Amino acid sequence: GENVEQHPSTLSVQEGDSAVIKCTYSDSASNYFPWYKQELGKRPQLIIDIRSNVGEKKDQRIAVTLNKTAKHFSLHITETQPEDSAVYFCAASREYGNKLVFGAGTILRVKS
Amino acid sequence: EPEVTQTPSHQVTQMGQEVILRCVPISNHLYFYWYRQILGQKVEFLVSFYNNEISEKSEIFDDQFSVERPDGSNFTLKIRSTKLEDSAMYFCASSVSSGSWTGELFFGEGSRLTVL
Repeated sequence: GENVEQHPSTLSVQEGDSAVIKCTYSDSASNYFPWYKQELGKRPQLIIDIRSNVGEKKDQRIAVTLNKTAKHFSLHITETQPEDSAVYFCAASREYGNKLVFGAGTILRVKS
Repeated sequence: EPEVTQTPSHQVTQMGQEVILRCVPISNHLYFYWYRQILGQKVEFLVSFYNNEISEKSEIFDDQFSVERPDGSNFTLKIRSTKLEDSAMYFCASSVSSGSWTGELFFGEGSRLTVL
């Protein structure tokens, strides 16, 4: 089955700097890759996703890149702010209706 | 905006007791899921449900677990005889509107289960 590895497990950055979180996946049939942000005690919230037919997607300060050949995808957050501090999870799945397999999560701390 | 709702938000139970967690998925969604998250760990898939039957389940989802859609709106997770290691946050989720596929999973706020 699918296995998703996520790095780093914790990341501290200065406010205004960029943050990059990387994930690799094992199942070449996976074609949907979302990123979730989870604040303490709250539900995971989708922040951006990408499908395998594109290599990059951007939404204001966040962007995701996908390399299908290497089976890895990354989350980029620019101009980080203290409110970006949270746990970020990557995930992968096949076609619709299939389960999401999550990475282990990255604790992002943005220091002001 | 439509939301997935879950009850209870927190349940404390004794080991060996049965627990039922309830969810109301978004009304025009077709796929329903239960995930769990042990404190400080990743979100783990338990089971998916489509067209009134289980479409996939993980190795965690053993005979102690069952799911049901008793009516047109509720989706329940039952744990027959709880163990200490069942203590976790349980998230219900739904996806796929009837119109088109977005792939996005909409999570409920979660039900925290504490087994003593």
